[in-house]
Amino acid sequence: DVKVTQSSRYLVKRTGEKVFLECVQDMDHENMFWYRQDPGLGLRLIYFSYDVKMKEKGDIPEGYSVSREKKERFSLILESASTNQTSMYLCASSLGFNEKLFFGSGTQLSVL
Amino acid sequence: AQSVTQPDIHITVSEGASLELRCNYSYGATPYLFWYVQSPGQGLQLLLKYFSGDTLVQGIKGFEAEFKRSQSSFNLRKPSVHWSDAAEYFCAVGAVVPGGFKTIFGAGTRLFVKA
Repeated sequence: DVKVTQSSRYLVKRTGEKVFLECVQDMDHENMFWYRQDPGLGLRLIYFSYDVKMKEKGDIPEGYSVSREKKERFSLILESASTNQTSMYLCASSLGFNEKLFFGSGTQLSVL
Repeated sequence: AQSVTQPDIHITVSEGASLELRCNYSYGATPYLFWYVQSPGQGLQLLLKYFSGDTLVQGIKGFEAEFKRSQSSFNLRKPSVHWSDAAEYFCAVGAVVPGGFKTIFGAGTRLFVKA
């Protein structure tokens, strides 16, 4: 079965730390996405990627960067974590254009 | 700009009653529309999608949705709700953007089911 794996379910970091969130998919999907989910705001797109070493900004990229060195792996980086980045982070992948998204279980990040 | 509006933050229905969750979208071209469900402690799962053709689409778990272009709506329905349907529901639109496409989500509607 299709699987999108996020490395951590819960993460607690301090303000100013550099944070790496890892996501791996085993479906050979071209497209990968990072969203954050906040109550009352739904899912908001941070970054997405359509191929290895390619990245595109989503709707809220400020304070984040991404890396995609291999097709199956898409990393989200918080260069200097801040308390307003406390959130649930969801990784997703899809096979093709406007196809369904397969989601990971999410990483609940708390920045203290 | 593309957007999705789900007017109801939460809805409570009795088990066995019918359900309709509202969704309105804003998109200049023909939309790709989706409904996802997030059950407590679980990841998001696709319920159904609309790309073209018949405007009434059937999904999993007995859900259906109707696309109405004139109203820019894609409401989700179920004739008889089960307690296991309690979850958060997200409407989404697929949008073409420079470099490819992205999926834009609404804020979600939380469904409570009472016995």
